[in-house]
Amino acid sequence: DQQVKQNSPSLSVQEGRISILNCDYTNSMFDYFLWYKKYPAEGPTFLISISSIKDKNEDGRFTVFLNKSAKHLSLHIVPSQPGDSAVYFCAASEGGSNYKLTFGKGTLLTVNP
Amino acid sequence: NAGVTQTPKFRILKIGQSMTLQCTQDMNHNYMYWYRQDPGMGLKLIYYSVGAGITDKGEVPNGYNVSRSTTEDFPLRLELAAPSQTSVYFCASNWDSGANVLTFGAGSRLTVL
Repeated sequence: DQQVKQNSPSLSVQEGRISILNCDYTNSMFDYFLWYKKYPAEGPTFLISISSIKDKNEDGRFTVFLNKSAKHLSLHIVPSQPGDSAVYFCAASEGGSNYKLTFGKGTLLTVNP
Repeated sequence: NAGVTQTPKFRILKIGQSMTLQCTQDMNHNYMYWYRQDPGMGLKLIYYSVGAGITDKGEVPNGYNVSRSTTEDFPLRLELAAPSQTSVYFCASNWDSGANVLTFGAGSRLTVL
């Protein structure tokens, strides 16, 4: 039973355009959401997060949107750069308990020059 | 600052062999975690620790053991390796459960034949 779903295994965009990565969740107890980025042969690194009390959080080229009623969040990257090519994991936690961090399967983003 | 260091990076085991994956962090983090990532899947929590001397099971603990004798070290032991344990293992740490943002090691790729 997947509580965090990333239904697109891969996404390909042109450099300079917008990348939109989607994530859906089923557990209504999740109240904190994070995106991690992973390059090959490296561990995941934290990218951006959002609390359930917000519907948007922005950090430079990266913006995360949260739609609680739809149990959906998305990561927007504008403009996309070749260095953004990586696997992006959506993760969620409930009640601030990090040991309950649940990850999606990831989306491989390829940004073409 | 090394962050989270995992050894070995790669290992091939025969069925029934035992081994220990080492994890060390130099950030004085209280919380440490072991995740595994199977191909095309998200990260699943194996074990976690909230401080020296305290460990608890995650989502997929069967076939593994951990110990936490110091703040810095959190080794993961496989007693009787099985092909189902073929995976990439990630160690992670953070200051406390409320922080949510994990620092990951680079991973240890284990193959059981």
